[in-house]
Amino acid sequence: DAGVIQSPRHEVTEMGQEVTLRCKPISGHDYLFWYRQTMMRGLELLIYFNNNVPIDDSGMPEDRFSAKMPNASFSTLKIQPSEPRDSAVYFCASRTGSFTGELFFGEGSRLTVL
Amino acid sequence: AQTVTQSQPEMSVQEAETVTLSCTYDTSESDYYLFWYKQPPSRQMILVIRQEAYKQQNATENRFSVNFQKAAKSFSLKISDSQLGDAAMYFCAYRSAKRGSNYKLTFGKGTLLTVNP
Repeated sequence: DAGVIQSPRHEVTEMGQEVTLRCKPISGHDYLFWYRQTMMRGLELLIYFNNNVPIDDSGMPEDRFSAKMPNASFSTLKIQPSEPRDSAVYFCASRTGSFTGELFFGEGSRLTVL
Repeated sequence: AQTVTQSQPEMSVQEAETVTLSCTYDTSESDYYLFWYKQPPSRQMILVIRQEAYKQQNATENRFSVNFQKAAKSFSLKISDSQLGDAAMYFCAYRSAKRGSNYKLTFGKGTLLTVNP
């Protein structure tokens, strides 16, 4: 299995630009999570989906952030407009619906907003 | 809300020695899961070991073992015979086992482990 695949691995953009991060979960996984990692705040859950439906988006920082999961094999996290404080590593993770299922992480997308 | 605290921002150990990383958590629940994740410089989060709260026996995975003290809400990770490849950031994490919970993992801030040759 290829694991959770994220793109891009690195993104550098200027303030005000739109940023789209992409994720392909492991085939057969019902749950998909977006996490953000910063030095100050550590790992924070932004949003998660179950069977392509957003279940909890309480961690999304503000309206500039949006996430979609149009099908079982693809999800996006969009920031529009981006700000320097959005600079972080964004992780996508997926797992099965089994209650004891392990959470598998992608390699993360490092975003730098200048 | 659950919280996870790792009080050691950094630790170091000599190769082949043993090191213990500390983690405490706060919860009002009786059934939950605890995890240790490793994040090497490649950034990918890798599950090291998992403990179910209802199990009294401490989990073990090869050189990695935990000391789970439920009453004290403590969950430390012991790495025996440390290897250079163990150098990484280690995160402790909590997840509720309550049916209908949101499967959310709550992470500590991490401990950076350095292994000296």
